[in-house]
Amino acid sequence: AQSVTQLDSHVSVSEGTPVLLRCNYSSSYSPSLFWYVQHPNKGLQLLLKYTSAATLVKGINGFEAEFKKSETSFHLTKPSAHMSDAAEYFCVVSSLGGNNRLAFGKGNQVVVIP
Amino acid sequence: DTEVTQTPKHLVMGMTNKKSLKCEQHMGHRAMYWYKQKAKKPPELMFVYSYEKLSINESVPSRFSPECPNSSLLNLHLHALQPEDSALYLCASSQPGQGAEAFFGQGTRLTVV
Repeated sequence: AQSVTQLDSHVSVSEGTPVLLRCNYSSSYSPSLFWYVQHPNKGLQLLLKYTSAATLVKGINGFEAEFKKSETSFHLTKPSAHMSDAAEYFCVVSSLGGNNRLAFGKGNQVVVIP
Repeated sequence: DTEVTQTPKHLVMGMTNKKSLKCEQHMGHRAMYWYKQKAKKPPELMFVYSYEKLSINESVPSRFSPECPNSSLLNLHLHALQPEDSALYLCASSQPGQGAEAFFGQGTRLTVV
């Protein structure tokens, strides 16, 4: 079984300040982990992914995430928020034996304050 | 080409209508998915096709009928829907197996009246 927990359903940040979105996962096997972003009425866009290579993963738009097996975490960070970062963010896990099934977290709604 | 194209973008249908949603990708992906997404919620998996065969049906009501005519196309046939079926319907594709990222289309915003 696999699952994802995203705390803080709503996150407000001031423009130019750091962004931190927390993700904890549960998986019976070594997981692959993803962060997706969704702007209003749009599809999901992949920000970055972890698939057992480097534990610090860099993605698009200045985002990065660190895989910590001991903490079963995959938190997403960005040093300086931009207005265009206002969106919904989903942490997603895929595991061997998952039969192509992705497990989504409940999402973080990010608001950027000018 | 890293796009998944969905048509139509918006659809309004009555409860007695029959309509179809279409999805197309040319990335050579052999797994394709339908998701349903309600407002402020994560996507919910409906169906998975792997190598053009239905591999997962998440107990979706029979008024939703998927079809995968070939490795590039995925359809979702709709019949006798209910107002609670109004949602954003997302198509995605990936290579089969763990670790392959899924590419999502822009979705079809469906309203059932």
